[in-house]
Amino acid sequence: AQSVTQPDIHITVSEGASLELRCNYSYGATPYLFWYVQSPGQGLQLLLKYFSGDTLVQGIKGFEAEFKRSQSSFNLRKPSVHWSDAAEYFCAVGLTEGGTASKLTFGTGTRLQVTL
Amino acid sequence: NAGVTQTPKFQVLKTGQSMTLQCAQDMNHEYMSWYRQDPGMGLRLIHYSVGAGITDQGEVPNGYNVSRSTTEDFPLRLLSAAPSQTSVYFCASSSRDSINSPLHFGNGTRLTVT
Repeated sequence: AQSVTQPDIHITVSEGASLELRCNYSYGATPYLFWYVQSPGQGLQLLLKYFSGDTLVQGIKGFEAEFKRSQSSFNLRKPSVHWSDAAEYFCAVGLTEGGTASKLTFGTGTRLQVTL
Repeated sequence: NAGVTQTPKFQVLKTGQSMTLQCAQDMNHEYMSWYRQDPGMGLRLIHYSVGAGITDQGEVPNGYNVSRSTTEDFPLRLLSAAPSQTSVYFCASSSRDSINSPLHFGNGTRLTVT
């Protein structure tokens, strides 16, 4: 079975600073990978996804993520954080073999705080 | 465009009480699902449905029932609430049960069982 680990529970960055949120996965093949964001009081929103091809994927709100097979990682990055980026971020992994939405596994989340 | 609508937003129950969390989507999505979100646990799948009349269990189904009589609605029932069911519940839908179809989430229901 696949699994996903987000090592950082809570991260604080200053507005304008760069951001990197870590995500590591465990799966026997190349998985489908996702990043979701949850703003306070809201449901999760898809930021970006990786299925195949270019290992650097662009998402909404200026976010990008890089798939590194050798490190089993899919870290989320943003060059300059805005105060409105304060939220909880979830990495998720899905199966490429018979992949269904019901087999999506979420990480435990990283809470981002942005200081002004 | 309403998307996925969950009601209520907040609920407090006493142990042993029953209630139904409502979820409705107006996107004609085939796939609907319920997750619970607990600190340090991420989102865990409770039940899901791939179409009207079809439901299946997820990772943590005990204590919960679901039904799917229409495409639009997917209610989650707690027959006898327990403090361990204190959580935030999210309903999500997608056009079909495929990893290629993005999930659309509701805003959640925060449930406290005392």
